[in-house]
Amino acid sequence: AQSVTQLDSHVSVSEGTPVLLRCNYSSSYSPSLFWYVQHPNKGLQLLLKYTSAATLVKGINGFEAEFKKSETSFHLTKPSAHMSDAAEYFCVVSANDMRFGAGTRLTVKP
Amino acid sequence: SQTIHQWPATLVQPVGSPLSLECTVEGTSNPNLYWYRQAAGRGLQLLFYSVGIGQISSEVPQNLSASRPQDRQFILSSKKLLLSDSGFYLCAWSSGLAGGPFSYNEQFFGPGTRLTVL
Repeated sequence: AQSVTQLDSHVSVSEGTPVLLRCNYSSSYSPSLFWYVQHPNKGLQLLLKYTSAATLVKGINGFEAEFKKSETSFHLTKPSAHMSDAAEYFCVVSANDMRFGAGTRLTVKP
Repeated sequence: SQTIHQWPATLVQPVGSPLSLECTVEGTSNPNLYWYRQAAGRGLQLLFYSVGIGQISSEVPQNLSASRPQDRQFILSSKKLLLSDSGFYLCAWSSGLAGGPFSYNEQFFGPGTRLTVL
């Protein structure tokens, strides 16, 4: 069985400051891990994925995530937030099934 | 490149009316296809998935059904809508080449359909 927990339902940052969205997972396998972003009334867009290669994964729009097996974490970061980053973010774990986190809403203040 | 389409984009229907949402994928063959529902302020709920024409697996028993009449076409239907069917419906696809429908491959999502049942 697998599960994923996004530790914050809502994160608020100021424009230009770093972003940290936290994700912990549980899996009996060596899973793939993904981060998706969803803007209001839009579909989900893949930001980045980890598939057992490099533990530091770079994605689109300046986002990156680090896979830490010992901590079962896959936190998403960005050095400097932009207003356009305001959206809902989903962490996903996938092996023989796929589990979505409940989502983290990111607010970016000017 | 691959693209995924959903229509309609928005739909307002009365309780008890039928429903048909369509999803098509271009640029790939034999994809795995998925229907999700996202209720207001909640995460994604997997409704159905399909690994091939005519092959449908249901994850949640309810008054919805799905069909896959062609390789790259996935349809979500209902004979009689309920108020609780309101939500944002997302179609997604993944490569059918590697493993099953929930292997290690990412899913690619369509733009969604906003359904309001009144």
